[in-house]
Amino acid sequence: DAMVIQNPRYQVTQFGKPVTLSCSQTLNHNVMYWYQQKSSQAPKLLFHYYDKDFNNEADTPDNFQSRRPNTSFCFLDIRSPGLGDAAMYLCATSRVNDYYNEQFFGPGTRLTVL
Amino acid sequence: GNSVTQMEGPVTLSEEAFLTINCTYTATGYPSLFWYVQYPGEGLQLLLKATKADDKGSNKGFEATYRKETTSFHLEKGSVQVSDSAVYFCAQTGANNLFFGTGTRLTVIP
Repeated sequence: DAMVIQNPRYQVTQFGKPVTLSCSQTLNHNVMYWYQQKSSQAPKLLFHYYDKDFNNEADTPDNFQSRRPNTSFCFLDIRSPGLGDAAMYLCATSRVNDYYNEQFFGPGTRLTVL
Repeated sequence: GNSVTQMEGPVTLSEEAFLTINCTYTATGYPSLFWYVQYPGEGLQLLLKATKADDKGSNKGFEATYRKETTSFHLEKGSVQVSDSAVYFCAQTGANNLFFGTGTRLTVIP
């Protein structure tokens, strides 16, 4: 089945220690998104890639970076995690030129910062 | 600008009760509207969608109708089950983005 996969599902890191979260997709979608979701809140868009074009949200901290080496993979790098970065991180994809802009979500990676 | 306002929870219902979760939106133009569901510890799953006025989205016994005149997309289910316990998010399209409501936690008790 075509899907969005996130690894790992649970990640524990230490304060200030860089961490990378991974997302892959078999849907061949052009657009990939990273969201941050804190407890009992709506997902908040951090950035998205439209093919290789990177689009950062204005209020995304510089501590968050992303890479998309090919269509299938996208990575979220947190350079120096703080306690406030503990959250669920959701990856999503959508087709370009899809008027409905339906997004397909992965299961998420729950990040704990010690 | 675009925004989604969703009924605040939590909502607790007995099994087989009727469910309504209110959702209203503000938008320029005519967005597509969605309901996503998030089960404990999981990512978001699309529950249903509607792309134009008067469309009705339906799935797994849930329904929502796109009402342009009231800018609403309320979620309903006639008889909830314990397995419906989850957080429900209303959302609308933006330009390469989704605008989410704050989510409504539903708990169904036997």
